[in-house]
Amino acid sequence: DADVTQTPRNRITKTGKRIMLECSQTKGHDRMYWYRQDPGLGLRLIYYSFDVKDINKGEISDGYSVSRQAQAKFSLSLESAIPNQTALYFCATSDLSGTAGGELFFGEGSRLTVL
Amino acid sequence: RKEVEQDPGPFNVPEGATVAFNCTYSNSASQSFFWYRQDCRKEPKLLMSVYSSGNEDGRFTAQLNRASQYISLLIRDSKLSDSATYLCVVNPGGYNKLIFGAGTRLAVHP
Repeated sequence: DADVTQTPRNRITKTGKRIMLECSQTKGHDRMYWYRQDPGLGLRLIYYSFDVKDINKGEISDGYSVSRQAQAKFSLSLESAIPNQTALYFCATSDLSGTAGGELFFGEGSRLTVL
Repeated sequence: RKEVEQDPGPFNVPEGATVAFNCTYSNSASQSFFWYRQDCRKEPKLLMSVYSSGNEDGRFTAQLNRASQYISLLIRDSKLSDSATYLCVVNPGGYNKLIFGAGTRLAVHP
């Protein structure tokens, strides 16, 4: 089983619908992240969390919200999906030295299409 | 100007070739640098860190040029399995603010 699991892996939805992407990890890492990837652009950070009580906005947080339900779980919500939120979404984790060391462990991705 | 820029490629090379990618970054205060590999439709995975003195891991060599603000990745004796997108990643400082380049695609053919 993957250490970082994302559900759903693929989702097609309509404009205005609420969508939740879920992420769970078995690595025991404190730090969790949500990124989106678009063709021709690098991965962009949406939100990140250092522990259960900590939530931080990334560079593109508008239109998104997150919940850190437990150390192992970090969910991303789109309250009212719009077509330009069509993208590949990745959850990632790192340990305390993850930033300096640069090693993020990614889930397999959730491909979201908003019609 | 993007914070991290890469040539998108694709670089099409035959097996056994040597290929090099460069990546430029805009923030001169950037502290650490990495190369990630991303296979088609898969998640990125850390390939190697880039140290000031340069570092080598088998067929892969990474170098940092702080004066010119670029990092490079050299792949020797390319294998078919090296076909992937290579992401340049920069930490400009501060918590968890890794900046990803858009990636350079490499296609190795027989």
